[in-house]
Amino acid sequence: DVKVTQSSRYLVKRTGEKVFLECVQDMDHENMFWYRQDPGLGLRLIYFSYDVKMKEKGDIPEGYSVSREKKERFSLILESASTNQTSMYLCASTRWPYNSPLHFGNGTRLTVT
Amino acid sequence: RKEVEQDPGPFNVPEGATVAFNCTYSNSASQSFFWYRQDCRKEPKLLMSVYSSGNEDGRFTAQLNRASQYISLLIRDSKLSDSATYLCVVNYGGSQGNLIFGKGTKLSVKP
Repeated sequence: DVKVTQSSRYLVKRTGEKVFLECVQDMDHENMFWYRQDPGLGLRLIYFSYDVKMKEKGDIPEGYSVSREKKERFSLILESASTNQTSMYLCASTRWPYNSPLHFGNGTRLTVT
Repeated sequence: RKEVEQDPGPFNVPEGATVAFNCTYSNSASQSFFWYRQDCRKEPKLLMSVYSSGNEDGRFTAQLNRASQYISLLIRDSKLSDSATYLCVVNYGGSQGNLIFGKGTKLSVKP
């Protein structure tokens, strides 16, 4: 069974802090994703990666960056956290081809105060 | 613009009822389709993929209508444990960045 693990379930950070959210998958999936989910807005794609060191912007990349140094690990970085980045962050992975479903981690609920 | 629309609900149904959700998508080039289930404050989990010929998994039936550009999910003999939000997901192909999520339909099954 696919396992996608996010490093923290709950996180509280202060405005201006640099925040790292880590995600690891154990199924050798090529593709990894970071979403945020907010009430009434659904899931929105921040960044995705289809290979090591490769990254593509999603719909809302502003204020975020990502790192994929190893195939199994995809990190989301908030360079300078702001209160409007308070959200549920979901990591997901999938293999090729494109019609494969996503497998999600259990989410990180980030609060920025 | 690529959009996926769902009725947000909530659908409040008694145990044992049959309930159906539809999800419409805007782009006829859509390649693959999925239904996910999301419990409150949890991550989405794959319920089922949707195939062109329709598919069934126990009490759940998914269908695709390409001509009218919608997919449906039918739940028979609803259980209390079916209470959740159901997300429709459409892949427009080309890259995995073209996965579009609906905002979900909330189902509440009452005793």
